[in-house]
Amino acid sequence: VQMTQSPSYLAASPGESVSISCKASKSISNNLAWYQEKPGKANKLLIHSGSTLQSGTPSRFSGSGSGTDFTLTIRSLESEDFAVYYCQQYNEYPLTFGSGTKLEIK
Amino acid sequence: EVQLVESGGGLVQPGRSMKLSCAASGFTFNNYDMAWVCQAPKKGLEWVATISYDGSSTYYRDSVKGRFTISRDNAKSTLYLQMDSLRSEDTATYYCARQTEGGLYLLTGYFDFWGPGTMATVSS
Repeated sequence: VQMTQSPSYLAASPGESVSISCKASKSISNNLAWYQEKPGKANKLLIHSGSTLQSGTPSRFSGSGSGTDFTLTIRSLESEDFAVYYCQQYNEYPLTFGSGTKLEIK
Repeated sequence: EVQLVESGGGLVQPGRSMKLSCAASGFTFNNYDMAWVCQAPKKGLEWVATISYDGSSTYYRDSVKGRFTISRDNAKSTLYLQMDSLRSEDTATYYCARQTEGGLYLLTGYFDFWGPGTMATVSS
């Protein structure tokens, strides 16, 4: 399953809201996870099952979608949210990731 | 606290072998599937391989089938990745990850904990 993530780059200011899209090449039900990558830190699982927040994920993060189209939304951006985000499908092997979205401060 | 710590990376010549290890602690290791995920320099994440909680099942991405072997020692809470016939395109940071079952009828899953990674460089 190919995962197409967009945009690849996003610039926003603290306090703004942003959305990242992830599209699967075929239906993956809701078997989708979102991760955050920051330099010097272990990758962090944010959301699984398309919309279920992992324990410890702030409520300003939300996930939506099922089938082939998914969205990660971050409301009221905080400085710690500027990072790279990846989606990953786990509906079948091989497990596949989106190409990543780099979220930078405007 | 769940901890995953990889080791064994370094510089190796093309065609040679390297074995990565991942020491796990803070959870019941033999209750979880485990995986390796890699990231080439300035590239995105790529799943490499998964092993079931008891070692009875393994899964690989096509590009490493027949060259890489994932294994585990549940008595030592350690995950391994034996990498043979290495190629320059295998150069990457390799992450150990705990794979949590995606659902009742799924053999797959998502990665709820990651290690910091170990860098493997394949170059002459």
